[in-house]
Amino acid sequence: GQNIDQPTEMTATEGAIVQINCTYQTSGFNGLFWYQQHAGEAPTFLSYNVLDGLEEKGRFSSFLSRSKGYSYLLLKELQMKDSASYLCAVRDLGRAGNMLTFGGGTRLMVKP
Amino acid sequence: DGGITQSPKYLFRKEGQNVTLSCEQNLNHDAMYWYRQDPGQGLRLIYYSQIVNDFQKGDIAEGYSVSREKKESFPLTVTSAQKNPTAFYLCASSISGRAWLNEQFFGPGTRLTVL
Repeated sequence: GQNIDQPTEMTATEGAIVQINCTYQTSGFNGLFWYQQHAGEAPTFLSYNVLDGLEEKGRFSSFLSRSKGYSYLLLKELQMKDSASYLCAVRDLGRAGNMLTFGGGTRLMVKP
Repeated sequence: DGGITQSPKYLFRKEGQNVTLSCEQNLNHDAMYWYRQDPGQGLRLIYYSQIVNDFQKGDIAEGYSVSREKKESFPLTVTSAQKNPTAFYLCASSISGRAWLNEQFFGPGTRLTVL
């Protein structure tokens, strides 16, 4: 089976940097996704890691270590609009199709 | 504009009634998915379909049914057998099951409340 853990809630200050961690256990790792979800809205794709290392995309970066079953999402220069839930999802070769298993999400609150 | 639509955004039903949630996409995606999200929780897969006229159960299929008669459409029926149907329902689609990145694109969701 799969197990994905991420903190339930985090709080940070506008302009600061925040790191959201995700740990996973899977039988056949085939990629890790980060999605952003504002309350009551659809998740939107942020980043994808399948090889070890850091992927940078503007203010957002995502890191993966497959040997440790660990990823993080780094948000720089935080803005109030970054207040949202951040979902970590893993794709497993052992599951048919393109099915993802999602963590519970981390609700980030950005304060002035 | 290409995208995924779900309607309605809010839906209220009485206990014991079946209800069907619509999901339409014009992205020409082969695969479509239904998820359920409860407050403060992640997404759980209900059903998925990789091709027209074929679909498979996800992790929590009991009390739900789907059909995939057209590539663009993947409606979900919440039956009276579903013990706790009040939730936020998200539909998603992706190009196919085997591409390199192949992220899933989500619709705006339907919030179902059973009274």
